[in-house]
Amino acid sequence: NAGVTQTPKFQVLKTGQSMTLQCAQDMNHEYMSWYRQDPGMGLRLIHYSVGAGITDQGEVPNGYNVSRSTTEDFPLRLLSAAPSQTSVYFCASSYFQGFSEAFFGQGTRLTVV
Amino acid sequence: ILNVEQSPQSLHVQEGDSTNFTCSFPSSNFYALHWYRWETAKSPEALFVMTLNGDEKKKGRISATLNTKEGYSYLYIKGSQPEDSATYLCAFMGGDYKLSFGAGTTVTVRA
Repeated sequence: NAGVTQTPKFQVLKTGQSMTLQCAQDMNHEYMSWYRQDPGMGLRLIHYSVGAGITDQGEVPNGYNVSRSTTEDFPLRLLSAAPSQTSVYFCASSYFQGFSEAFFGQGTRLTVV
Repeated sequence: ILNVEQSPQSLHVQEGDSTNFTCSFPSSNFYALHWYRWETAKSPEALFVMTLNGDEKKKGRISATLNTKEGYSYLYIKGSQPEDSATYLCAFMGGDYKLSFGAGTTVTVRA
């Protein structure tokens, strides 16, 4: 019963480095999304996907790339890390309907120094 | 950027008391309204997904109502218990299928 699996759980990057946050789900969900959580700001949508091969920007997409080559995986790429990207990142998935609840991964705490 | 607002930002409740708080969202292009419970050091977990104006949902001592015409939803906790302490998030989905979250209401129940 894996659900939504995010890796890594913790990461420290130097400014300018790149990295990929991994997200995988085993529930055959069409809809997947990435959020960042900052104090006092709740969850802000970075990118989302309504199915394999389809992605779109959310509220705060700058500095991040995504792709969706399979239904199961939705990696988030930081192209050139900046201190402003220090945050907790959550991946979520659901069936492609607003009526379906989202299931969240355990989160990745990223620090950019 | 959608305006999903929750109030109050935080509240303290005595054990056994009931409480409620608000989520406001755009009243146009409504698709669904979600409520999540988020405990410290865990991930958000769904409480309710509401889609119809006038919807009322209940899970144990927690219930929610929805008014899509005026753009608000209430979450109620009856007879608060210490285990109800958490941040409660609402999220709005419009016709663009983006699920946008409010900043949350943090509830602390004092024994």
